[in-house]
Amino acid sequence: EVQLVESGGGLVKPGGSLRLSCAASGFTFSSYSMNWVRQAPGKGLEWVSSISSSSSYIYYADSVKGRFTISRDNAKNSLYLQMNSLRAEDTAVYYCARELYGDSRTFDLWGRGTLVTVSS
Amino acid sequence: DIQMTQSPSSLSASVGDRVTITCRASQSISSYLNWYQQKPGKAPKLLIYAASSLQSGVPSRFSGSGSGTDFTLTISSLQPEDFATYYCQQSYSTSTFGQGTRLEIK
Repeated sequence: EVQLVESGGGLVKPGGSLRLSCAASGFTFSSYSMNWVRQAPGKGLEWVSSISSSSSYIYYADSVKGRFTISRDNAKNSLYLQMNSLRAEDTAVYYCARELYGDSRTFDLWGRGTLVTVSS
Repeated sequence: DIQMTQSPSSLSASVGDRVTITCRASQSISSYLNWYQQKPGKAPKLLIYAASSLQSGVPSRFSGSGSGTDFTLTISSLQPEDFATYYCQQSYSTSTFGQGTRLEIK
């Protein structure tokens, strides 16, 4: 089955760190650019970061630049998001998402998401 | 940054109605515009990409049009399963989503 499964969410204090993982299966992970998209409770979608298939190109939203790091391990079919210096406004469900083609930033496959709560 | 503005923010309609949602970009994005549907507690689902291309498996009652700064998503005949929130997204420069349009049953 073609799927993405996120893990690693939880409750963390402001200023803390968390590492999210996304396990891909059912498709050739190494051929696709991947992204993280988040959604604060009751709010809309916000693109967070993207990484190309070979990790050559990496982009971040201004809201997380310098605090979050995206990476991938194609041998393990896994995508990661290292989140440091977390703030209350980072509280959200974090989705990993596959790009439909190239660097299209068109997301055709999504995981179910993992909830990150930043609170003291 | 490119800003995306959807209208209306919410909409009430009946089964069988024709519905149009509008999305406007703060600058020209050519046809780099996608539409997603999201139901409560679920991940978004890609409906339309590149402004007017129907994603595989999506019913043909969904259609998209536009280029430059103005885009529309049209549902030709609403079905019960279409009541959800819809988002536009620009993919011209990194990515930005619209604020969403909640489609409710009248």
